[in-house]
Parts: sequence; C-alpha cells; structure tokens
Amino acid sequence: GEDVEQSLFLSVREGDSSVINCTYTDSSSTYLYWYKQEPGAGLQLLTYIFSNMDMKQDQRLTVLLNKKDKHLSLRIADTQTGDSAIYFCAEKERGDSWGKLQFGAGTQVVVTP
Amino acid sequence: GAVVSQHPSWVICKSGTSVKIECRSLDFQATTMFWYRQFPKQSLMLMATSNEGSKATYEQGVEKDKFLINHASLTLSTLTVTSAHPEDSSFYICSARDQRPIVYEQYFGPGTRLTVT
Repeated sequence: GEDVEQSLFLSVREGDSSVINCTYTDSSSTYLYWYKQEPGAGLQLLTYIFSNMDMKQDQRLTVLLNKKDKHLSLRIADTQTGDSAIYFCAEKERGDSWGKLQFGAGTQVVVTP
Repeated sequence: GAVVSQHPSWVICKSGTSVKIECRSLDFQATTMFWYRQFPKQSLMLMATSNEGSKATYEQGVEKDKFLINHASLTLSTLTVTSAHPEDSSFYICSARDQRPIVYEQYFGPGTRLTVT
C-alpha cells in the first residue's frame, strides 16, 4: 500500500507556532486531511485540502501542500495547551470509491507553558 | 452536526466470550462505515469497510469470522468480536462517511476500549 510518514514528536512552547510535517507517496491522492486525537478519544477532523490547492487557512490553522515533493504541513499559530494531542495526516486515494483513508503514524504534540 | 457515537465506550470481557460494539451516525446517513483498530501510541489500522445492506470488505490479515460486521441500516453498523482473547484488547474506532454529494467526509466515533481478561 501507499505510505504516509510523519515525525513522531514535537515539543512547542505556548504561544509559539507549531509546524507538523507529513510526506505521502500516492501522487493520485485527491484529498489530504489533518485529524486531531486527544487521549482516549476518537479523531476530530481539523481541516483538509484538495490536491489542486497549495494552501488553505482556517483561523489558527494553515495547511501547505507541495505536490511536487508530496509534502503536507500543518501550522498552528499561537499554540495553546489545549492543542496538546496526537495529529494524524491522512490521504484519500483518487480511485477508491469508498473513500478509504491512509493514515500516518501520528505526531504527538506537547505544548509546554 | 456530523456526530458519530459508539457504544459502549469501554468494555471488559472474559476470554472466550463475544462482545458487540455499535457505531451510529446521529444526524446523517452513512452507506459506508469503517472499522479501525488502534494500539497504544500507534496509528489507526483499517480492519474493514462496512456497506449498508451488503457484506463487509475486510483488509488483508483481518479474520472475518472473528470480527463480524453488520451494517443493517444507514445509521448503524456493529462489530462483534467473537471468542475474544487477550490479544484482541485494543481501542476500536469507527468512522461514518457522509453520503451527501460534495460532502463525502468521514467522521469518527469516540472509540471503544476493549479489555479481554
């Protein structure tokens, strides 16, 4: 199958910006997603980007997509302690009619005061 | 909107027994639901795709006779872990795909923690 890779850990100070990176291998991906998982909970969809877009901004979240390098990033501005969680990137394949997602391993973000 | 619930949120059962987990889309219809398994500090592993009114499609390596999936209505899918063993202990998460055109997004349930003793 296709691979989605993420760095496993990120520590950031409260108030700073966080940048979480993700690389994927499937060039036919149509949608790319960022999900947030808090301890013991399910996944919360944060944002997504179409493969024909370069950037998407939604309040404190900015998603950048570099299709040439198959690189996706999520920037969280003014990071708060409530942003501490695991962040998963995921891709949806163009040819999959059911909309199956391929997830990365997740990046644990720890926000320190 | 777009709320998915799971029941129970946690369950403890004895080896050899069966346990059923429900996944419901509360405010939308979902012809397709997905069942995932997540081990501690790991990513989600897709177990099967559940389609309303038809048999589920299982991923390679997932035993369909052990993990029975039923998608009887547009808002409910169930996963039954049969003859549970301690190695089945895990966090099970479902997601439901909103079938409305343009939306087609997956929304995740809060997960069910299964512990087999």
